[in-house]
Amino acid sequence: SQQGEEDPQALSIQEGENATMNCSYKTSINNLQWYRQNSGRGLVHLILIRSNEREKHSGRLRVTLDTSKKSSSLLITASRAADTASYFCATDWDNFNKFYFGSGTKLNVKP
Amino acid sequence: DGGITQSPKYLFRKEGQNVTLSCEQNLNHDAMYWYRQDPGQGLRLIYYSQIVNDFQKGDIAEGYSVSREKKESFPLTVTSAQKNPTAFYLCASSASGPPLGYTFGSGTRLTVV
Repeated sequence: SQQGEEDPQALSIQEGENATMNCSYKTSINNLQWYRQNSGRGLVHLILIRSNEREKHSGRLRVTLDTSKKSSSLLITASRAADTASYFCATDWDNFNKFYFGSGTKLNVKP
Repeated sequence: DGGITQSPKYLFRKEGQNVTLSCEQNLNHDAMYWYRQDPGQGLRLIYYSQIVNDFQKGDIAEGYSVSREKKESFPLTVTSAQKNPTAFYLCASSASGPPLGYTFGSGTRLTVV
């Protein structure tokens, strides 16, 4: 399977701390995306990074991509209680618009 | 406001029944997708469609069927052949061309009673 695998499965931190989640995948990709899902809701797109990019920023989010290690990381700086959610990475490989999702990292930010 | 609407939010199915989940988008997106999510797990692709009147099986298409007669609509039917249909179903859409990310609906929770 091409599915990415997130690590850790669960993460609990205090408000104000940084949260780092990792994603590893198996075969070469064109694009990798990160999504957030609040409990019982749909997913919200956070950021997309292309295979020729190494780092992208969006507000408090920083995503890195290391294609040689087939891995990506999502860093949330200065976390807030509202960041409590599950975070998923999604990778494509044979089709630009077909993405495979990992099983997610469940982040709990304690106030 | 543009978006993607799934209905109903909750659906209960008796054994042996077919049920249809609705997905409508007004984003003018060409591609639409159905994913299944089981508790504590990631999303698995059921079916996807990149243009009207065309769709492709995903990784877990058995027991499901779809149609794409209109650009805006991509309904999913869960048939009686699907042995374990209780799950959270998510519909998504995306524009054609270089990927910019999916827009997801808010999901339908299907329970077999």
